[in-house]
Amino acid sequence: DIQMTQSPSSLSASLGDRVTITCRASQDIGNYLTWFQQKPGKSPRRMIYGATNLEDGVPSRFSGSRSGSDYSLTISSLESEDVADYHCLQSIQYPLTFGSGTKLEIK
Amino acid sequence: EVQLVESGGGLVQPGRSMKLSCAASGFTFSNYGMAWVRQAPTKGLEWVATISYDGSSTYYRDSVKGRFTISRDNAKSTLYLQMNSLRSEDTATYYCTRGGWPYWGQGVMVTVSS
Repeated sequence: DIQMTQSPSSLSASLGDRVTITCRASQDIGNYLTWFQQKPGKSPRRMIYGATNLEDGVPSRFSGSRSGSDYSLTISSLESEDVADYHCLQSIQYPLTFGSGTKLEIK
Repeated sequence: EVQLVESGGGLVQPGRSMKLSCAASGFTFSNYGMAWVRQAPTKGLEWVATISYDGSSTYYRDSVKGRFTISRDNAKSTLYLQMNSLRSEDTATYYCTRGGWPYWGQGVMVTVSS
């Protein structure tokens, strides 16, 4: 099975900060990487697909990137509405596997 | 507007069965693979099963293989998850989602407890 190691598990940052969350894949997953945002009590929302493609309607302060087996979700300037859990998912191989999640809070 | 509406959850005793449904609307259901993803209380997301657009292919995580069955009725635009021999560790909110993950249902809670 492909392991997705997500870090950090929690993150506290100030409004306006640049924030980066990373998932490292244990095997090659190409660009089969999706990022989700999940607010408390809500369903996940797709933010980034294909590692770097921004979902329609998602603010441009969000971006996705890849460096080797490391996949990153970056928020260029943190806003209060970004408080949420963030999850990554690899979908190149079954069983599909999620990262363990990152809880993002405002400092 | 795309809608995915799950139903069928609740409290069930260990070892018993439960069937979840997901009614889809707003897109051509028969064109897309579908999946179930679950989330135990205070835990992360966990993929459960996927079915191809025509139902000919299915995939499961090991922990549910042989106990859960994903199926679909394209004429009714409905996805199902038959869950047998339920265990306490199956307690979770179950989401249905369309292939590619752009759309998710609101989730349905399944609690396995005596």
